[in-house]
Amino acid sequence: AQSVSQHNHHVILSEAASLELGCNYSYGGTVNLFWYVQYPGQHLQLLLKYFSGDPLVKGIKGFEAEFIKSKFSFNLRKPSVQWSDTAEYFCAVTLNSGYSTLTFGKGTMLLVSP
Amino acid sequence: DGGITQSPKYLFRKEGQNVTLSCEQNLNHDAMYWYRQDPGQGLRLIYYSQIVNDFQKGDIAEGYSVSREKKESFPLTVTSAQKNPTAFYLCASTFDGTGMNTEAFFGQGTRLTVV
Repeated sequence: AQSVSQHNHHVILSEAASLELGCNYSYGGTVNLFWYVQYPGQHLQLLLKYFSGDPLVKGIKGFEAEFIKSKFSFNLRKPSVQWSDTAEYFCAVTLNSGYSTLTFGKGTMLLVSP
Repeated sequence: DGGITQSPKYLFRKEGQNVTLSCEQNLNHDAMYWYRQDPGQGLRLIYYSQIVNDFQKGDIAEGYSVSREKKESFPLTVTSAQKNPTAFYLCASTFDGTGMNTEAFFGQGTRLTVV
């Protein structure tokens, strides 16, 4: 079964700092990759996704992620964070063959101080 | 607007009681899921259903039960056999859960507290 590892459980940044959240998955086949975000008091929503094609994907609110197949990684980045980016971020993976359920990492809580 | 509705938002249960969490979707999705979210644990899959009248256990199904009598509805029952039921429960759906159709949409969640 596939698994997802997120490197940091908590990250604290000041506004305007750059962000990179690590995500690695374990599965040798073709995968679909996602980043979800959960803002305080809100439901989980999709930030960005990778199915195929350009390994650099852009999402909402200035976020992007790069799929590096050789490293089994899908790191999330943002050049300059804002206070409103304070949230919990989840990396997730499904298999791109047949029926598959989402497997989530344990999440990274990001706190951005003004 | 299309989406997933979970109710209630907050639920309190006495030990030894069963409780049912509601999940309804109007996205015309075939597949539905229940996840449990605990601090530092991420989301763990309890049960999922690919089609009406069929469902499968996820990673942490013990102490839970589900039914899928209608495409729109996927209620979760937390039974008294669940040793640690206090948690945040999330319902989700996908178009059909295959290949590129695995983007999930989530409800607002139900926070269950055992008192």
